[in-house]
Amino acid sequence: QPVLTQPPSASGTPGQRVTISCSGSYPNIGSNYVFWYQQLPGTAPNLLIYKNNQRPSGIPDRFSGSKSGTSASLAINGLRSEDEADYYCVAWDDSLSGKVFGGGTKLTVL
Amino acid sequence: EVQLMESGGGLVKPGGSLRLSCKVSGFTFRIHSMNWVRQAPGKGLEWVSSITRSGSETFYADSVKGRFTISRDNSGNSLFLQMNNLRAEDTAVYHCVREIPDAPFDYWGQGTLVTVSS
Repeated sequence: QPVLTQPPSASGTPGQRVTISCSGSYPNIGSNYVFWYQQLPGTAPNLLIYKNNQRPSGIPDRFSGSKSGTSASLAINGLRSEDEADYYCVAWDDSLSGKVFGGGTKLTVL
Repeated sequence: EVQLMESGGGLVKPGGSLRLSCKVSGFTFRIHSMNWVRQAPGKGLEWVSSITRSGSETFYADSVKGRFTISRDNSGNSLFLQMNNLRAEDTAVYHCVREIPDAPFDYWGQGTLVTVSS
């Protein structure tokens, strides 16, 4: 069982706003940064959000991240067909002394 | 161009061993911590292990602790994962992944498939 909890699936229509949640606990999300990765089918994951809410260069501002307490969220505004992918949250866990992933959320654009 | 190329995967029986290698190019290997991340067929991502720039510190997921050993050769620009006492649940594609100060996983290799089956 993944340490961080994500919904297994999410969906939306083009142009909609979709949010994906990531729930953890004090040793991980509650004490450390959260990162989000996008994995398009058949490809390696790509960094979407770092340090809770920062976007790397080249990532559209349609993607945003937030964190509150022991939970984090990824929001995608203006949903596009090319956003159809798997999304993962990641954080360091102080108790485990390791990095922990969420189980991943498969986003479908209807 | 940053490149990470894994090798060493294959079919192994339960209880067997494999040594994965990752040859990197296009960046200064010795200044980056490095990771192994795996993905079982049709499943999510799982962090396996990390090693600091000098190799002085290593970290492991509980699922592999005591069975896997991460190491590196900075002069040869290579990362390794020695996997012993393999189990069926270790079956996955293993990715070599660079770490940067701002993010735990930066550039990913394409991965090497490890299949543990009798």
